Amino acid sequence: ETGVTQTPRHLVMGMTNKKSLKCEQHLGHNAMYWYKQSAKKPLELMFVYSLEERVENNSVPSRFSPECPNSSHLFLHLHTLQPEDSALYLCASSTGMSVGGANVLTFGAGSRLTVL
Amino acid sequence: EDQVTQSPEALRLQEGESSSLNCSYTVSGLRGLFWYRQDPGKGPEFLFTLYSAGEEKEKERLKATLTKKESFLHITAPKPEDSATYLCAVRGSSNTGKLIFGQGTTLQVKP
Repeated sequence: ETGVTQTPRHLVMGMTNKKSLKCEQHLGHNAMYWYKQSAKKPLELMFVYSLEERVENNSVPSRFSPECPNSSHLFLHLHTLQPEDSALYLCASSTGMSVGGANVLTFGAGSRLTVL
Repeated sequence: EDQVTQSPEALRLQEGESSSLNCSYTVSGLRGLFWYRQDPGKGPEFLFTLYSAGEEKEKERLKATLTKKESFLHITAPKPEDSATYLCAVRGSSNTGKLIFGQGTTLQVKP
């Protein structure tokens, strides 16, 4: 496989469930990101990992818990979510995220989450 | 605070009818302005990066331009396959240099 792969593509869960989203990149990038995309709203950056260390946590509720075991894999663990958390969750990767740079993001196709 | 506003929110064109999408921005020390295309059910796909006012980039029927306050994505003689949501984002010199996205313009091109 090439590019950025996200699984599952669709997920329906109850508010008391625990589930995880998975992202894998085959591009040799060293930075990975989670974004939330809701209807009619701009993409919201949730978390950034650079060289497996979290460098950004954008005031995300603790019911979202990221994990980056290595530079190719990124997880988003979900626990006791709310209906307003229903959205498209996008994973992305880049070659770096230095402030001086302008690194292009490569996105996965997203995981569509519905919380009942 | 860095901010990006895109207009219009939605645009319907007939095939062959040229038009432009607007991206207005405020940012501390622009480090790059990005255009992405997003098809339904897919993630955004990179189109262009512009770095300084006056810069232009082209790809097929698309041409992106940049001033100190805004960017335009010009679409010349569009085809139905150009139908998608177009996202604009900026990266500034503040904080960690993360991308700030606009809400997008959804383009529909009718045959």
